[in-house]
Amino acid sequence: EAQVTQNPRYLITVTGKKLTVTCSQNMNHEYMSWYRQDPGLGLRQIYYSMNVEVTDKGDVPEGYKVSRKEKRNFPLILESPSPNQTSLYFCASSFGAVQETQYFGPGTRLLVL
Amino acid sequence: ELKVEQNPLFLSMQEGKNYTIYCNYSTTSDRLYWYRQDPGKSLESLFVLLSNGAVKQEGRLMASLDTKARLSTLHITAAVHDLSATYFCAVEGWDGGSQGNLIFGKGTKLSVKP
Repeated sequence: EAQVTQNPRYLITVTGKKLTVTCSQNMNHEYMSWYRQDPGLGLRQIYYSMNVEVTDKGDVPEGYKVSRKEKRNFPLILESPSPNQTSLYFCASSFGAVQETQYFGPGTRLLVL
Repeated sequence: ELKVEQNPLFLSMQEGKNYTIYCNYSTTSDRLYWYRQDPGKSLESLFVLLSNGAVKQEGRLMASLDTKARLSTLHITAAVHDLSATYFCAVEGWDGGSQGNLIFGKGTKLSVKP
């Protein structure tokens, strides 16, 4: 089944404790992206990747890192999480950034205490 | 600053009625995307509009794009309860941005009542 998977789905952590949220797609998509969703703010793009080893900042990249070593995986790293990073995170992928339908993962709900 | 504004943000409709959601944006992009999100769920792609004048329809939803006015509309015909969801539009942030940088509106929460 074609899908985008994220792990973990739910995470409670404490300030400063490094964490990684994984994202994997099995559709051979070039483009992958991370978003955060907050009430009243809609979705905001954190980072995106046009292909392997190519990543770019979105609108809210501060406090996040990403890597794209393989086509299928695009992990989101929070080196030192803070409470303002408490949010719902979505990973998405598509064949290309433009002209193509994005497929979203199920979301990761993160709480930073 | 790039802006994508949706109106209205909340919409309560009766079944069988028609209504339109508006998406205004400030970039020069000619590509616009519509998504649907059910409560507690992820996002689902509805429409990809790739040029001025593009119109796409799926069931009771029809989306159009006017790049000159920087406006997209999502028209709902004869609403049914199953259409209750939050609808987002998104555009590429061309102005100072790059391909792949997507800017989303805040979403329109639609509630269809019997």
